[in-house]
Amino acid sequence: EIVLTQSPATLSLSPGERATLSCRASQSVSSYLAWYQQKPGQAPRLLIYDASNRATGIPARFSGSGSGTDFTLTISSLEPEDFAVYYCQQRSNWPPFSFGPGTKVDIK
Amino acid sequence: QLQLQESGSGLVKPSQTLSLTCAVSGGSISSGGYSWSWIRQPPGKGLEWIGYIYHSGSTYYNPSLKSRVTISVDRSKNQFSLKLSSVTAADTAVYYCASSGGDYYFDYWGQGTLVTVSS
Repeated sequence: EIVLTQSPATLSLSPGERATLSCRASQSVSSYLAWYQQKPGQAPRLLIYDASNRATGIPARFSGSGSGTDFTLTISSLEPEDFAVYYCQQRSNWPPFSFGPGTKVDIK
Repeated sequence: QLQLQESGSGLVKPSQTLSLTCAVSGGSISSGGYSWSWIRQPPGKGLEWIGYIYHSGSTYYNPSLKSRVTISVDRSKNQFSLKLSSVTAADTAVYYCASSGGDYYFDYWGQGTLVTVSS
C-alpha cells in the first residue's frame, strides 16, 4: 500500500499570504495525485487532479506541482474561504486508493 | 450535475452489520465509465477509502476491510449500498458516498452521514 505523508500538519497564515503544502508518497505515484479541500461539516471537494490540473470551477490561485514522490499544493494568496483542511490522494497503485493525513490551514 | 445522498442507520450495535444506501440523481448509475465509492472519516481524523462498485457491477475493496465489506447496486432505484459486518467502535465515522469518472478521483460527494457504533 502506498503511504502518503503531508507536511506541515498545521499551517498558520494570514489572508493574502501564500500557502505551500507538501505531500510525499512512499513510492512513485507518477502524476496520479489529487488534492482535496475540506471545510468543517462538509464533504471534501476536489481541487487538483493528476498533480497539476485544476478541477472544474476551482480558482486559479490554487495550483499543484510535482511528480514521482514529491508534490506541492500552492495557494497564491489566501482568501478567507481557503482556511480548511487539505488532503492529497493517490490513484497510482490500488486498491486501496490512499489519502494523506491532511494539512490544516488556519488563520494566524 | 450528479447529486449523491446517503441514508441509513445512524446507530449500530457492536458485532452487528452497518447498512447504508447512496441515492444518485442527475445521472444514471449505469453510465459507462463511472465508479461509485464509499469513503469514511472517523471523528477528527482523515479519510479512508472503503471500496467501490463499477458501473458494470465489478467491485474493489480496501484490503484492510475486504473480509467485512459488501458494496452492491440497485439499478432500478439508481442507488448503491454498503454493508459492513461485525462492526466495532473503530468503525464509528462519517460515511461518504462519492463518484469517480475514469480517472479514479472523487469529484462528486454526498454530504456524509455519521454512524456511531455503540451498545
